[in-house]
This record gives sequence, structure tokens and C-alpha cells, in this order.
Amino acid sequence: GAVVSQHPSWVICKSGTSVKIECRSLDFQATTMFWYRQFPKQSLMLMATSNEGSKATYEQGVEKDKFLINHASLTLSTLTVTSAHPEDSSFYICSASVAGYEQFFGPGTRLTVL
Amino acid sequence: AQTVTQSQPEMSVQEAETVTLSCTYDTSESDYYLFWYKQPPSRQMILVIRQEAYKQQNATENRFSVNFQKAAKSFSLKISDSQLGDAAMYFCAYPNSGGSNYKLTFGKGTLLTVNP
Repeated sequence: GAVVSQHPSWVICKSGTSVKIECRSLDFQATTMFWYRQFPKQSLMLMATSNEGSKATYEQGVEKDKFLINHASLTLSTLTVTSAHPEDSSFYICSASVAGYEQFFGPGTRLTVL
Repeated sequence: AQTVTQSQPEMSVQEAETVTLSCTYDTSESDYYLFWYKQPPSRQMILVIRQEAYKQQNATENRFSVNFQKAAKSFSLKISDSQLGDAAMYFCAYPNSGGSNYKLTFGKGTLLTVNP
């Protein structure tokens, strides 16, 4: 149980375009979803926290207009990277929790912006 | 603010041997959880073990065990009988309670290499 999926697993896009990443909890309803960014050989950096039906809460230094998060249902959250640039290339990981301390992680999405 | 410190950027161990990964943390809370996550080359985050601070007994999951020293705010992970599949990045994590959401604070990680 507690499976979280992400789609796509790898995306390549041109600079200036927007990319949407989906995060789904497959066998449970997630009250909260989290989005992380991870650079090679570094730790996970929390970008934002989202609750179903509410606006996402962004961490300090994260541009909310560039990284749009929509948590439309208890099983789906999306991260849209708008007007992507090469510096946005990274590994993006989502996680989901059920009103508790434990988070269940998706497999991640590798974004490459050319 | 809670902080998590992993002082060993890299560690290596011989197959079948035992290795200990260190983690210290800072918190003013008295009741909390601590986690160790494994991130293999696939980059999927896998929960290895959790410890509840109010439990005096150290958590154990098969070959993985922790040495939890609450007063010292230390939470080390011991891997016994190391296997090639244990090679991964290991992260220590502390869930910060912020209302109804628990944000995880991660250490910088320890890259574990297992030598055959």
C-alpha cells in the first residue's frame, strides 16, 4: 500500500516552454502533498506544501509564479514549471501524507531544459 | 528551527561487514519521530527505519538498527551484514510539526559504497 506515482519520469523541453508534472496517490487519499527539488549528490529541498482545495504554501526563495502547484483532489497534485530555463533542470520529487508525520514518496521526475 | 546534521558525506564498507552512519539533530520538542531514508541509484526514496522519541528501545528492521540517544540528540543507523544492494545515499530526517502538516527536514546525506 501507500504507492505514489509521478508522470512523466523524464521530460526534455525547450527553454521558454512550460512543463507539467503529475503526482498521484494510487491507493490512499492524501491530505497533504509535498514537492521537492534535488540536485545531483545533494539532499532534497522542499519547494512547497499543498493541501487539497487550498493554495500551496511555498518555501522561502521559491518563486510561486514559476512553480505553479495545483492540488485538485485528494489523489492528485500537479507542479507546472512555467517558462522553463536551463537552470530549472533538476530532479523533482513529490510525496504524500495522510494527516500524519510519514510521507510516501513518488519515483521522481527528471526535467531537462535545453 | 530544527536542524539535521550528517557529518559523513561518504562511507564505504566491505560486503558482509557492519557500518554505522551518524546523524545528529536539534529540536526543542520532547515527543517526535526520526527517520532514515535510503535513495538508491533509481532515486526512489525508501523508508528504512523510524524511531519514536518516547520509546526507549532502539528500532530494528532486519539488518538495520538505530542507536537513538535522546539526550545527546543522536540517531545513528547501523547496517549489519552489508549487501551490495545497500549501496545508496542515506538521509536522516526529522518531521517538523507545523499545524497539520509535517515537513521533513533532511540531512545532507551519506553516500554509502559497498565493496565486494
